[in-house]
Amino acid sequence: GAGVSQSPSNKVTEKGKDVELRCDPISGHTALYWYRQSLGQGLEFLIYFQGNSAPDKSGLPSDRFSAERTGGSVSTLTIQRTQQEDSAVYLCASSLAGTGSFNYGYTFGSGTRLTVV
Amino acid sequence: SQQGEEDPQALSIQEGENATMNCSYKTSINNLQWYRQNSGRGLVHLILIRSNEREKHSGRLRVTLDTSKKSSSLLITASRAADTASYFCATVAAGNKLTFGGGTRVLVKP
Repeated sequence: GAGVSQSPSNKVTEKGKDVELRCDPISGHTALYWYRQSLGQGLEFLIYFQGNSAPDKSGLPSDRFSAERTGGSVSTLTIQRTQQEDSAVYLCASSLAGTGSFNYGYTFGSGTRLTVV
Repeated sequence: SQQGEEDPQALSIQEGENATMNCSYKTSINNLQWYRQNSGRGLVHLILIRSNEREKHSGRLRVTLDTSKKSSSLLITASRAADTASYFCATVAAGNKLTFGGGTRVLVKP
């Protein structure tokens, strides 16, 4: 597609349930990023995928969070046993890494607003 | 922790005035980028300045970078009501990871 697509756009879940958030990056973009933004706050880095390299998971806040990227394209962020503090907007971005990240910005999706009740 | 810190946190100006916001960062960078966010959802890339550049223009936007002071500024000239948004600086260091500051909320009053 023309942009980064995220689904669902909104998700309300009960505390303790698992959720899956999906990101479809721009075709040809080898780098994919997940960020989290709490209300009125900046963006918190979660995880970064670059091609076939091992992902940088240094931003994942706990072992309840995991992400995978299948076939170098679509990515799924999974949050297990959700807690109220997981409520936030989860943003995905993609870029042409290497020369892309040096010369071009990143393209963000519209995000998934997760509410844990 | 955040790499960039923005100043001010909030800014209110009249339409037609200029808006200036600053960003400071802590480590060496490859480039610095500015993004705009409307209504707390997706971010839009505005401009990128490389570490070997000092100033860059794009339309009504002017960005400066001072690597000796580890700081950058974003100037929006002749502001419009549509410029009302949050503005974030973000830095790229080794590893291509983009690290964001806390943002500046700009309100342009008609």
